[in-house]
Amino acid sequence: ELKVEQNPLFLSMQEGKNYTIYCNYSTTSDRLYWYRQDPGKSLESLFVLLSNGAVKQEGRLMASLDTKARLSTLHITAAVHDLSATYFCAVVRRGSGGSNYKLTFGKGTLLTVNP
Amino acid sequence: GAGVSQSPSNKVTEKGKDVELRCDPISGHTALYWYRQSLGQGLEFLIYFQGNSAPDKSGLPSDRFSAERTGGSVSTLTIQRTQQEDSAVYLCASSFQRDTYGYTFGSGTRLTVV
Repeated sequence: ELKVEQNPLFLSMQEGKNYTIYCNYSTTSDRLYWYRQDPGKSLESLFVLLSNGAVKQEGRLMASLDTKARLSTLHITAAVHDLSATYFCAVVRRGSGGSNYKLTFGKGTLLTVNP
Repeated sequence: GAGVSQSPSNKVTEKGKDVELRCDPISGHTALYWYRQSLGQGLEFLIYFQGNSAPDKSGLPSDRFSAERTGGSVSTLTIQRTQQEDSAVYLCASSFQRDTYGYTFGSGTRLTVV
């Protein structure tokens, strides 16, 4: 059974600071996703990481993937209040016949950025 | 449509009643997924459709839950004899069959069983 663990689950930080959210997963996977969820809203796709060593950046967020360590990180640079949300990583489990489909999610990291 | 559409957005029902939740995926997306999000349980996979068939129903929590998809498009998730523990947000997502760019989620149906 594929397990995905995120830490920390709760993160309170000040504006301007840097921090990293970690996502570990238990079995081989092809793809790793990061999503953002605002309160009462649906999931917004942030990044898709497809291969070992992949790094993607968008604004103050940067995601990376190490498939050998089964680890992804989401790094926040110089946080601003607008980044306050819950962040989920999700991993696709390999399906039969090469058809990947099921996303398994971490429990999410609730990020609060304080002025 | 432009996005994944779910209805109703909110549903309050009495314990023991049946409910139907609807998902209208993005046009052309052959894969459709139902997830449940509840406090303390995070996001749980319920069922996956490829076209009209459901190769994986492993996440359905009990036989009170069922889902169907017709015309390779709209899907309905039915919960019979609702219980309070069914209260959650039910999210639908769709993707192309071998999508490598992610899954698009709907805004969800918040189900409250009283």
